[in-house]
Amino acid sequence: EPEVTQTPSHQVTQMGQEVILRCVPISNHLYFYWYRQILGQKVEFLVSFYNNEISEKSEIFDDQFSVERPDGSNFTLKIRSTKLEDSAMYFCASTLSREAGVSKNIQYFGAGTRLSVL
Amino acid sequence: EDKVVQSPLSLVVHEGDTVTLNCSYEVTNFRSLLWYKQEKKAPTFLFMLTSSGIEKKSGRLSSILDKKELFSILNITATQTGDSAIYLCAVQGAQKLVFGQGTRLTINP
Repeated sequence: EPEVTQTPSHQVTQMGQEVILRCVPISNHLYFYWYRQILGQKVEFLVSFYNNEISEKSEIFDDQFSVERPDGSNFTLKIRSTKLEDSAMYFCASTLSREAGVSKNIQYFGAGTRLSVL
Repeated sequence: EDKVVQSPLSLVVHEGDTVTLNCSYEVTNFRSLLWYKQEKKAPTFLFMLTSSGIEKKSGRLSSILDKKELFSILNITATQTGDSAIYLCAVQGAQKLVFGQGTRLTINP
């Protein structure tokens, strides 16, 4: 069964360093998302991406964050200068369609990257 | 502000029991409500609900949506230890999913 793949599974970094989290969405999917889950809190939306553009972003997704689809398979989230409060599990998701209420609209999630900022 | 609230936050039952998990929501431009199961890491898809009153079933799991009262329930019958997980309710507006806090379900043998 096709799945969303995320690497690395765990990333440890020093405060102020740049990190890049990588995702390989399901191959024929067109819409891509990043979410994060701080330990003990809700899963929160960060950004959605379609046709090489950000289509929606949350207040969390400030100038320190960027996303890119550098080739036909990868989807990356970059945090330019990490802060302690960026420590969280980051989930990538993808979906085939945005058409309302159809199975092609289901967002499938990767296993996540746990980011620890020291 | 879009909001999804799940209850209870935690539930401990014995194997074989039936459980009901609740999800209420306030979301603009509602498109669908989804249930996910989160075990170790990745939320895995269970159900997508878009219409009121139509029960979705998969084995021992079932779910129904009430768009008038703005809630959904997830039922699990004859629970097994493998059902132990966090169950997430998420509502889709235009694009993003808005998640509830999750219900941590523990099934004791």
